[in-house]
Amino acid sequence: DAGVIQSPRHEVTEMGQEVTLRCKPISGHDYLFWYRQTMMRGLELLIYFNNNVPIDDSGMPEDRFSAKMPNASFSTLKIQPSEPRDSAVYFCASSFQGPSGYTFGSGTRLTVV
Amino acid sequence: AQSVSQHNHHVILSEAASLELGCNYSYGGTVNLFWYVQYPGQHLQLLLKYFSGDPLVKGIKGFEAEFIKSKFSFNLRKPSVQWSDTAEYFCAVNSNRDDKIIFGKGTRLHILP
Repeated sequence: DAGVIQSPRHEVTEMGQEVTLRCKPISGHDYLFWYRQTMMRGLELLIYFNNNVPIDDSGMPEDRFSAKMPNASFSTLKIQPSEPRDSAVYFCASSFQGPSGYTFGSGTRLTVV
Repeated sequence: AQSVSQHNHHVILSEAASLELGCNYSYGGTVNLFWYVQYPGQHLQLLLKYFSGDPLVKGIKGFEAEFIKSKFSFNLRKPSVQWSDTAEYFCAVNSNRDDKIIFGKGTRLHILP
């Protein structure tokens, strides 16, 4: 298995632009998590899905952030409009039947200038 | 809501020194506990986890952690560190009421050769 695949690995964008981050979970995993990592805040859970349904989005910072999971093999995290304070590494993780076996992707490093 | 506190933000040790990284969590109910490691430029990987049973948990690469329920602690230990252990270490907790994992802010470990 190729693991959790995230794209792009790096994204540099100008303030105000729309940014879309993508994640392909491990086949068969029924949970998908989006985290954001910054020096100041560490790893924050943004949102997670179970069987493609959003379960908890209380960590999504603002309405500028949205996430979708149209099918079991794909999820997106969108920021519109982006701001410099959104600069961070965004990780996607997937698991089977809950938290016992999280597998993380390699992350997307987002820089908003 | 559960939270995780890691006492040391940055630890520097010489090779062969013993390691103990502190972790405390706040949640009154049943918890599952984890330690993850992030090597420079890589994604998070699971070191070890505690769900139930023996409170002394052994993980990969010679790491172990002890769950002390009365102290709400789950400290990570290794008797003799190697230069290759240089990484960031994250303690994490999951309550049995939901499926999300909450991470501490991490401890950067730097091993001097």
